[in-house]
Amino acid sequence: DTGVSQDPRHKITKRGQNVTFRCDPISEHNRLYWYRQTLGQGPEFLTYFQNEAQLEKSRLLSDRFSAERPKGSFSTLEIQRTEQGDSAMYLCASSLSSGDVETQYFGPGTRLLVL
Amino acid sequence: AQSVTQLDSQVPVFEEAPVELRCNYSSSVSVYLFWYVQYPNQGLQLLLKYLSGSTLVKGINGFEAEFNKSQTSFHLRKPSVHISDTAEYFCAVRGSGDSSYKLIFGSGTRLLVRP
Repeated sequence: DTGVSQDPRHKITKRGQNVTFRCDPISEHNRLYWYRQTLGQGPEFLTYFQNEAQLEKSRLLSDRFSAERPKGSFSTLEIQRTEQGDSAMYLCASSLSSGDVETQYFGPGTRLLVL
Repeated sequence: AQSVTQLDSQVPVFEEAPVELRCNYSSSVSVYLFWYVQYPNQGLQLLLKYLSGSTLVKGINGFEAEFNKSQTSFHLRKPSVHISDTAEYFCAVRGSGDSSYKLIFGSGTRLLVRP
């Protein structure tokens, strides 16, 4: 069990550029979540996948944001035409569905700075 | 809809002293409650969770929390803190029976342990 990994760990970009982040969940986990965390705040839910299906999206996920999980394994989060307000830590989490309330395991996050 | 309030943004405490981090939630339905810890530049790690049953929940690193339904609280405690406990602590809620698996987080409490 290598845990949830995210790449890159840091990204600096200029306003208007597109960025893409990758998340690799724990290998047998079928659920995958994206959260955003701004400075001094708790994580806020963005979207959630069960296998390859995107089942829920937050209103925070504007049209400039898109997430995919094409084969039910890794996931990507793309932000188009970045804005300074997109600067945040983007966290990925995964869990295994079971009869119990499963635990979400978080990755180290990707810190985005938009100049 | 659920919400979480962590009234204390920062709690300074001396090493080996006891500590309590407060968490209150708002929900019209039964909930599951979680405490996560975040060390600098890392993702979130689960400390403990309340699903049902005993209202006193024990977690890792000597932490425990008590679920109080009448006061809608889930305060985190440790009888004797260490320097290494310095971190950000987040309380989170999820509605039981929800079709949504997202976690709603509080804004966090920074625990600062001084020698």
